[in-house]
Amino acid sequence: DAKTTQPPSMDCAEGRAANLPCNHSTISGNEYVYWYRQIHSQGPQYIIHGLKNNETNEMASLIITEDRKSSTLILPHATLRDTAVYYCIAPSTGGFKTIFGAGTRLFVKA
Amino acid sequence: EAQVTQNPRYLITVTGKKLTVTCSQNMNHEYMSWYRQDPGLGLRQIYYSMNVEVTDKGDVPEGYKVSRKEKRNFPLILESPSPNQTSLYFCASSSGTEVYEQYFGPGTRLTVT
Repeated sequence: DAKTTQPPSMDCAEGRAANLPCNHSTISGNEYVYWYRQIHSQGPQYIIHGLKNNETNEMASLIITEDRKSSTLILPHATLRDTAVYYCIAPSTGGFKTIFGAGTRLFVKA
Repeated sequence: EAQVTQNPRYLITVTGKKLTVTCSQNMNHEYMSWYRQDPGLGLRQIYYSMNVEVTDKGDVPEGYKVSRKEKRNFPLILESPSPNQTSLYFCASSSGTEVYEQYFGPGTRLTVT
């Protein structure tokens, strides 16, 4: 797996966009970037993934830099319910282990 | 409703008393996995299974056993639990073509005294 680095915590005002960065400078050409979040002690929830193009779904947008060394998860209008730990992972292709790092704890404030 | 279920959700037991935590999914997923989550150590993978009768070790397999006799079920077995296995356990499943789009269960909080 490519090593991923995320800030330990971030704050965001309710209604504003939350931009969560992830560095994955050792990612190889065919490794995807996946994002999950975990609200309190619930099971993690898959959000989105991408390879090199920007991706958007009903939950979030994923922007991957052209060199693929970093990405940003965007929650366009953060709500209090988006307060959670967000994990960025870049698993190796051909393997089936999943390694989660420490993630970013996002606090959305009213 | 597509879901991963775990039982029990909470368990307090004593050292050495064998226990099984069950995990079941109704999505016909090939891939299933167990994780434990501890404060300061994050989510760590214990075992995973690519399909029936195919299992492999994750990062922290010591002290655990698994079996995959049916596609929908992936029980986690602690033959002789110890206090250092006190943790929050999650089961997850995904399709064989999208292994990393995992659906997680609600968690099992285990305390070993």
